[in-house]
Amino acid sequence: GQSLEQPSEVTAVEGAIVQINCTYQTSGFYGLSWYQQHDGGAPTFLSYNALDGLEETGRFSSFLSRSDSYGYLLLQELQMKDSASYFCAVRGPNQAGTALIFGKGTTLSVSS
Amino acid sequence: EAQVTQNPRYLITVTGKKLTVTCSQNMNHEYMSWYRQDPGLGLRQIYYSMNVEVTDKGDVPEGYKVSRKEKRNFPLILESPSPNQTSLYFCASASYQEQGSYEQYFGPGTRLTVT
Repeated sequence: GQSLEQPSEVTAVEGAIVQINCTYQTSGFYGLSWYQQHDGGAPTFLSYNALDGLEETGRFSSFLSRSDSYGYLLLQELQMKDSASYFCAVRGPNQAGTALIFGKGTTLSVSS
Repeated sequence: EAQVTQNPRYLITVTGKKLTVTCSQNMNHEYMSWYRQDPGLGLRQIYYSMNVEVTDKGDVPEGYKVSRKEKRNFPLILESPSPNQTSLYFCASASYQEQGSYEQYFGPGTRLTVT
């Protein structure tokens, strides 16, 4: 089956760097995505990795190692507005890979 | 503006009273999906649809129905709601890609309470 593991909570201070890890088990891999969700709001897409390596988008970067079934989201120069929940997600397991399976989420708390 | 809309945003109802949560998208996406979100459990898929008249079960379909008669609409139906269906519900849509990020666009959510 599909499963994703990520820490439930992470805390950091403004200006710091934080890494949120995600390990996954999946039958058929299309790539690892990350979503951000502010309290009670709609999840929004952050990044996607299909191949090994680092993808950078501004202050956020995402990394993937397919051989280790592992990825992480790196947030730099943390700001208070980065306090949110972050979900990793993989496609599958149906034939077309259209189902998106989410991890349980990591709550990031940024303090001043 | 590209968006996914859901109605109602908040709903309090009683056990057994049928209800429908509507979802509509204006991006001409083939794929639509319903999720429920409960504390500590993340987002769990209820049903999804690859295109008009094509629907399939997700991880937690029991107690729910869906239909996809038009590309833009994907209503979620609770025929006989029970308290364990109290949750935050999200509709999402995506443009189907065989490869790629399959970025999903989420609606604002519907907070449902069943008493």
